[in-house]
Amino acid sequence: HSALTQPASVSGSPGQSITISCTGTSSDVGGDNFVSWYQQHPGKAPKLMIYDVTNRPSGVSNRFSGSKSGNTASLTISGLQAEDESDYYCNSRTTSGTYVFGTGTKVTVL
Amino acid sequence: QVQLVQSGAEVKNPGASVKVSCKASGFTFSNYHIHWVRQAPGQGLEWMGFINPSSGGTSYAQNFQGRVTMTRDTSTNTVYMDLSSLRSEETAIFYCAREPSGRCHFDFWGQGTVVTVSS
Repeated sequence: HSALTQPASVSGSPGQSITISCTGTSSDVGGDNFVSWYQQHPGKAPKLMIYDVTNRPSGVSNRFSGSKSGNTASLTISGLQAEDESDYYCNSRTTSGTYVFGTGTKVTVL
Repeated sequence: QVQLVQSGAEVKNPGASVKVSCKASGFTFSNYHIHWVRQAPGQGLEWMGFINPSSGGTSYAQNFQGRVTMTRDTSTNTVYMDLSSLRSEETAIFYCAREPSGRCHFDFWGQGTVVTVSS
C-alpha cells in the first residue's frame, strides 16, 4: 500500500479553521472506518488526536474534529491556536489488515 | 501510569542487525497489540508491523518482510523489534505504540529509539 496523500503544508491565522485532507483508496481509507490522526511536535512522539474517523480521545480539545467521504478523510482544527503548529499524520487500517500512514502535513499558525 | 519505555540509541554498521526493546507497564499487556513505526530524519511515519503479545502472532508491512522480526517476553512485558541487513539510508527513530486490541489506532507511544547506520 502506498502512503496516503496529504497536503505538505496548511496554514491559518489564529482563530481561523483549517482542514487537512487524507486521500487513499477503497482498500484503506474507503474500506472501513479505522482512520486515525496524530499530532507530532518536533522531537516528540506522535499523539493520538482522532480515532475511528470522528472520535476524540479523552483530553483532546474539541477544536479537533474528523470526517470522511469516500476515500478521503479530513481533520479540521477550529479556532486555530499557536500550540496547534505541528506535523499531522493520518493513518488507516487496510483491508488486508496492515496499516498505512499519510505523507504528513505541516500546520503553520501565521 | 501507562508507560512504554524503549531501549537506548544504537549505532550500527551497514549490513548489521539491530534489536530494539519496548517495555510496557501500567496496563494489561495482553489486552493490547504493540506496533512499530519508523521515522527517518525529516521524513514521515512508516508503519512496520505489530505483534499480539498474547498469542505472539505478528503482521509485517511488505516493505520489511523477511528483514523484521517482532517477538515478546510475557514475563517482563517487553516487546522486541529486530531489523536485519541495515542500510546506511535507514538511519531513523523507531517508535513502539500500543493499540487496544482490534481497535485499529495507536493510543500511546514510546519515547522513540534512534538507530544510526553508518560505517
